Parts: sequence; C-alpha cells; structure tokens
Amino acid sequence: DAGITQSPRHKVTETGTPVTLRCHQTENHRYMYWYRQDPGHGLRLIHYSYGVKDTDKGEVSDGYSVSRSKTEDFLLTLESATSSQTSVYFCAISEGGRNQPQHFGDGTRLSIL
Amino acid sequence: GENVEQHPSTLSVQEGDSAVIKCTYSDSASNYFPWYKQELGKRPQLIIDIRSNVGEKKDQRIAVTLNKTAKHFSLHITETQPEDSAVYFCAASMDYQLIWGAGTKLIIKP
Repeated sequence: DAGITQSPRHKVTETGTPVTLRCHQTENHRYMYWYRQDPGHGLRLIHYSYGVKDTDKGEVSDGYSVSRSKTEDFLLTLESATSSQTSVYFCAISEGGRNQPQHFGDGTRLSIL
Repeated sequence: GENVEQHPSTLSVQEGDSAVIKCTYSDSASNYFPWYKQELGKRPQLIIDIRSNVGEKKDQRIAVTLNKTAKHFSLHITETQPEDSAVYFCAASMDYQLIWGAGTKLIIKP
C-alpha cells in the first residue's frame, strides 16, 4: 500500500474555529489531492497540488485553502469551519498525474458542531 | 462541465452470480479509466484500470471493458463472493484530475 498518512483521523470542533488536516506521503509522488466524501455525492475534489507551492482548485474549493511547502506534506485548512463542512476527507497521491492511478489515505472524519 | 454517470446506484445479486456496473463519460479526451472498491469505513482502493488503447482487461474474477466510440465502460465481476460487497466507483481522466461516478452499492445475497 502507498505510504500515506492522514492526521488527525477523527476531529470534532465547533463552528467558526480553524481546522487544519495534514496529509503526509513517503512515496515522493508529485501529485496530491484532497477530496471530501458525503453520502449521495461520491468523491468531490477540493484542491490538488502538482508540485511544491503549485496548487489548483477543484469543484468544491470554497471555504478551503491548501499549502504544500514540501513534497511530502499537503495541508488542507478550513479557515472558519461551518457545519456544511462536516464530512470525511480523503487525501490521495499520484505518481504522474495524467493517466495514472490515485492512491488514497485512510481518511479524516471531521464533525463540526 | 465534464461528468461521469454510473449505474445502477444499488445492485443486489445472488452469491455466485455475475455483477455488471456501467459508466458513461462526457470528455472525449479522457483516456484513463480506473475502478475503485470502497468497503464500509475504509478508503477507496484501486481494483482495476484500463487505458484507451485497450478494449478489455481482466484480472481473475474482475474485468473492465471500454467502448470509446460510445464513451462508456463497464466493470464485470464473475462468481461473486460475500467479500465483493462494497461500494464501487468508476472514474475518467481529465487533465491531471479524475472525474468520479457517484458509486454503486453492490450487495451479495447468500
């Protein structure tokens, strides 16, 4: 299995607080992705990165920001969490990006009360 | 925008029978099509993929077929077993992203 670690695995927080999720990989892959998964919506892309300091928005990027200062780490930040951001968040990595498989971390279950 | 439609949303089959899940995509430039299996509470895991220069690919009980002209691809699982119960997702490539289907819940009846 791909070396991907997401932290924390579970988090409960209150509306309006900032939250940062971390994705750490040991595969030295160039591409990293953040998804959210909600019942009835499958996997929806939030942001992705194609290199250090190179990021782009996905289909549901509003309310989220990302940073990648090192190849191995991709951070997802909710500046001011809202209840609609309660979800399971998955990080994925890909070696080549185009036409290559993505491999997923174990996910973070985030509850915003 | 680009989208992938996946059918059915739920599929219930008798153990030992075959299961077929179908996806259609809209971006004619897509040329990579993976399938993922997600068990309850777990991460999605790649089970098979196909690229546009191939029409069919098999791996033991699992096969994927691709029709680029019609822009659809299918997952076939033969001799289904209880451990095949899961949600299955198809996806199609678009630039450096994957566009995902909404998922199919496969139920294997004993």
